[in-house]
Amino acid sequence: DTGVSQNPRHKITKRGQNVTFRCDPISEHNRLYWYRQTLGQGPEFLTYFQNEAQLEKSRLLSDRFSAERPKGSFSTLEIQRTEQGDSAMYLCASNLRPNTEAFFGQGTRLTVV
Amino acid sequence: GDSVTQMEGPVTLSEEAFLTINCTYTATGYPSLFWYVQYPGEGLQLLLKATKADDKGSNKGFEATYRKETTSFHLEKGSVQVSDSAVYFCALSPSYSGAGSYQLTFGKGTKLSVIP
Repeated sequence: DTGVSQNPRHKITKRGQNVTFRCDPISEHNRLYWYRQTLGQGPEFLTYFQNEAQLEKSRLLSDRFSAERPKGSFSTLEIQRTEQGDSAMYLCASNLRPNTEAFFGQGTRLTVV
Repeated sequence: GDSVTQMEGPVTLSEEAFLTINCTYTATGYPSLFWYVQYPGEGLQLLLKATKADDKGSNKGFEATYRKETTSFHLEKGSVQVSDSAVYFCALSPSYSGAGSYQLTFGKGTKLSVIP
């Protein structure tokens, strides 16, 4: 397994457009997380999946954000009507059990112009 | 809510110098504590962890001890190398998570530069 994979690595979009990011976790990991990291800050939790069920969402996840994990494998994060404040690095992570090492992807850097 | 505070950088050290990056936390109960490292152009990687009070995590010459009485988890290394240049993040996972996520709460990160 090559680890957690995220695509695309970079995305530049115009304000108001929709964007979708993909995360492929480590295959046997049933726990999947999305985080957002802005410049000079640590990652902030957005949402959590166990298998295909989205069990927790942060208050940071506005109505314009939606995440899915069909069949409990890969996950997508969609942002509708992007705003300049959405510019950030979006990180995906996965692990097998609580409080064990979370493996992170390299992230998708979103720039909204 | 849970929070992590770590010393602000950037920190610049000469090779073979002693490193300390301070980290304190606020959380109920006994969270698990982590240090993650991000090397240039790479994703976050776990450096070390401790899951209960007085535990010492260690890896690659780095150490950190879980101090419940001071709610701290300071990162130390006796002799840094140029290859240790990276951003270091202190993080915690709660002792209880109703939805089962046990998501990480991170500090802001400390950028370390080691010069030859």
